[in-house]
Amino acid sequence: DQQVKQNSPSLSVQEGRISILNCDYTNSMFDYFLWYKKYPAEGPTFLISISSIKDKNEDGRFTVFLNKSAKHLSLHIVPSQPGDSAVYFCAASNPNSGYALNFGKGTSLLVTP
Amino acid sequence: GAGVSQSPSNKVTEKGKDVELRCDPISGHTALYWYRQRLGQGLEFLIYFQGNSAPDKSGLPSDRFSAERTGESVSTLTIQRTQQEDSAVYLCASSLAGGRVGGTEAFFGQGTRLTVV
Repeated sequence: DQQVKQNSPSLSVQEGRISILNCDYTNSMFDYFLWYKKYPAEGPTFLISISSIKDKNEDGRFTVFLNKSAKHLSLHIVPSQPGDSAVYFCAASNPNSGYALNFGKGTSLLVTP
Repeated sequence: GAGVSQSPSNKVTEKGKDVELRCDPISGHTALYWYRQRLGQGLEFLIYFQGNSAPDKSGLPSDRFSAERTGESVSTLTIQRTQQEDSAVYLCASSLAGGRVGGTEAFFGQGTRLTVV
């Protein structure tokens, strides 16, 4: 069963605008959430994370928001750049499973000039 | 090396043959994870190592799949009697600790693309 869900397989945004990628989860035991970025033929690379005790974490153009009551998180990229075009995976850490990461299916972001 | 290294990068095998996939984690990383990504799917957790032991094997899809780790370093994922549904990119990741020490950022290798024909 998919415990981390990214319901939008793709998103297209114009350069300079905001990209919002969404993620929902079902397991209330998850205590840490991460976003990974993946280019074709490369492994995923870590982008930004947030602990379940916070509701916002910002790093440059990237901000992650966490709504625990809704079991929802989102990644905002402002302003979006063409180099941001990639697949973005949402992941949640499960302390009951060695903190192994549970991943969503990914959202493919295309930033157009 | 500086990052997680996986070999081979590509493997084409005939149905029914056994394959071995290798992962060299970042030196000093005690936690090692195997994932696979089938076409159009997300990253599917397979197994987790803390040191040389595997506390969580829950993601292994069948008894044809096994993994070991030696010297708290290299790990090998073995798939016996491969089937076409085993075709996927197999990704290895390592992190400093399996617990939440400064976060659970895991570093991924480039993966092994396995094609079973």
